[in-house]
Amino acid sequence: EDQVTQSPEALRLQEGESSSLNCSYTVSGLRGLFWYRQDPGKGPEFLFTLYSAGEEKEKERLKATLTKKESFLHITAPKPEDSATYLCAVRNNFNKFYFGSGTKLNVKP
Amino acid sequence: DGGITQSPKYLFRKEGQNVTLSCEQNLNHDAMYWYRQDPGQGLRLIYYSQIVNDFQKGDIAEGYSVSREKKESFPLTVTSAQKNPTAFYLCASSAAGAGETQYFGPGTRLLVL
Repeated sequence: EDQVTQSPEALRLQEGESSSLNCSYTVSGLRGLFWYRQDPGKGPEFLFTLYSAGEEKEKERLKATLTKKESFLHITAPKPEDSATYLCAVRNNFNKFYFGSGTKLNVKP
Repeated sequence: DGGITQSPKYLFRKEGQNVTLSCEQNLNHDAMYWYRQDPGQGLRLIYYSQIVNDFQKGDIAEGYSVSREKKESFPLTVTSAQKNPTAFYLCASSAAGAGETQYFGPGTRLLVL
């Protein structure tokens, strides 16, 4: 059964304190692993797509990496505006998407 | 501007009433999706459509119905059979190719009076 598990459920960081969010997955034929940012009361905003193990992508303070079983979203020197819920999803070879429950990140000034 | 629009932003349903949520996209995407999001839970797939005039049930389709008469539009009806409809509803679309990214609309919050 295809599924995605994210950890931790919630993460509190001080401004400037780097950390990583984890996304573990099992999928029948990976056709992409996706990271989104979601602010309260809004739709998810696309961040990254990763397709194969070893791939990395960066955007400002965020860096996403992928292995055959998991992905990490590394946050370097976070700022309060990085506070949001981060969602991970996979697309299988039947074009269905499976989402994790998200990690709620709170960055204190 | 290309994107996905959802309306209304807030919707109130009376008991026994059917309500319809609108989703429109101008991204020329073939595939469209409806998800339900409850507090502390991941997105759950209600229905999806990969082509006009065709759609498939997702994991929680009971109490919902959809149509796909136009490429740009994928309305969701929450019927009176859905006993717990209070949630945040998200519409998404993607291009048809393998590995294409899914993009989301701003969401509709449905509340029961």
